[in-house]
Amino acid sequence: DAMVIQNPRYQVTQFGKPVTLSCSQTLNHNVMYWYQQKSSQAPKLLFHYYDKDFNNEADTPDNFQSRRPNTSFCFLDIRSPGLGDAAMYLCATSRKTGEETQYFGPGTRLLVL
Amino acid sequence: AQSVAQPEDQVNVAEGNPLTVKCTYSVSGNPYLFWYVQYPNRGLQFLLKYITGDNLVKGSYGFEAEFNKSQTSFHLKKPSALVSDSALYFCAVRDPNNAGNMLTFGGGTRLMVKP
Repeated sequence: DAMVIQNPRYQVTQFGKPVTLSCSQTLNHNVMYWYQQKSSQAPKLLFHYYDKDFNNEADTPDNFQSRRPNTSFCFLDIRSPGLGDAAMYLCATSRKTGEETQYFGPGTRLLVL
Repeated sequence: AQSVAQPEDQVNVAEGNPLTVKCTYSVSGNPYLFWYVQYPNRGLQFLLKYITGDNLVKGSYGFEAEFNKSQTSFHLKKPSALVSDSALYFCAVRDPNNAGNMLTFGGGTRLMVKP
């Protein structure tokens, strides 16, 4: 089945230690998104890629970076995680933007010690 | 600017009764509207969307939503609730007139269906 896969499902890191979260998709969608979700709140968009074009939200901290080496994979890098970065990180894809439905992965829950 | 509001943090309903989860929005033009459901420790799952056409949209698992332009609402409904419908529900909006805008999500409504 076509899907959005996130690894790992749970990630524990230490304060200040860089961490990378992974997302892959078999949908062959053009757009990939990274969201941060805290405590069952609304997901907050961090950035998205339309093909290779990177689009950062204005209020996304510099501590968060992303890479998309090919259509299938997208990575979220947190350079120096703080306690406030503990959250669920959701990856989503869509064929294009606009009216297109976004399809979400299961999420990675990040714990910062 | 676009925004969406879900006025109820939680909705409680008995199994077999109809349910409604409310959503209102604000955009400058005609909106694209979406409903997603989230089960514990899972990602968001698409339920239905309104883009254009018939105001009543039918989606997955027996859910439907009605677009009401005059009331700027897009309430989610189901005629007969199941215990398994208990989850967190998110409404989302996008303004198609603003190419840079992404989806804006409401704060979520927790639906509790009791046996």
